[in-house]
Amino acid sequence: SYELTQPPSVSVSPGQTARITCSGDALPKKHAYWYQQKSGQAPVLVIYEDSKRPSGIPERISGSSSGTMATLTISGAQVEDEADYYCYSTDTSGNNWVFGGGTKLTVL
Amino acid sequence: EVQLVESGGGLVQPGGSLRVSCVVSGFTFSNYWMHWVRQAPGKGLVWVSRIDADGSTTNYADSVKGRFTISRDNAKNTLFLQMNSLRAEDTAVYYCVRPPFWGQGTLVTVSS
Repeated sequence: SYELTQPPSVSVSPGQTARITCSGDALPKKHAYWYQQKSGQAPVLVIYEDSKRPSGIPERISGSSSGTMATLTISGAQVEDEADYYCYSTDTSGNNWVFGGGTKLTVL
Repeated sequence: EVQLVESGGGLVQPGGSLRVSCVVSGFTFSNYWMHWVRQAPGKGLVWVSRIDADGSTTNYADSVKGRFTISRDNAKNTLFLQMNSLRAEDTAVYYCVRPPFWGQGTLVTVSS
């Protein structure tokens, strides 16, 4: 079955740039989506179609994709950005959606 | 305002069945694909199933294929997930999703 691979954790100091990667064989052909989940809350979409930002999401959060890797970048990370981040995409058939394993971002 | 409200979760024994529901409002339900996503306690998000706008096309994760059935009633703005042959590893919060909107989830616990 299709898999998306993320690092389990990323840690940065406040003001630094955090980068979270997501690798998957179908990413050259399929868009990546990124969700942020804070403790005890439902996930929130922060990036869609690789690099588009929904309204209300800070400009410091951005996305990109190249080849088999998608990347979520948080420039000037703030303590409030601490959360679990999940990439989300589909296999080449488009029928089976998959989440990555999630990355815990620590800002301290 | 888009709202998705799940219900029907609870405690069920291994091998048992349960149906969870999701009532939606704030958008034209019959125009959208809908998904179920679950999250076991302390674990990551797992896509479970999706259904197209008129209910004619469904897809399932391998882990639930043959045991779970997704359906919808467009007249009642309601999405369903029928879960049969439940296992301990099905224990999770089940979220109803109309991307990018999520409900708050309903907890399903499979235990004897």
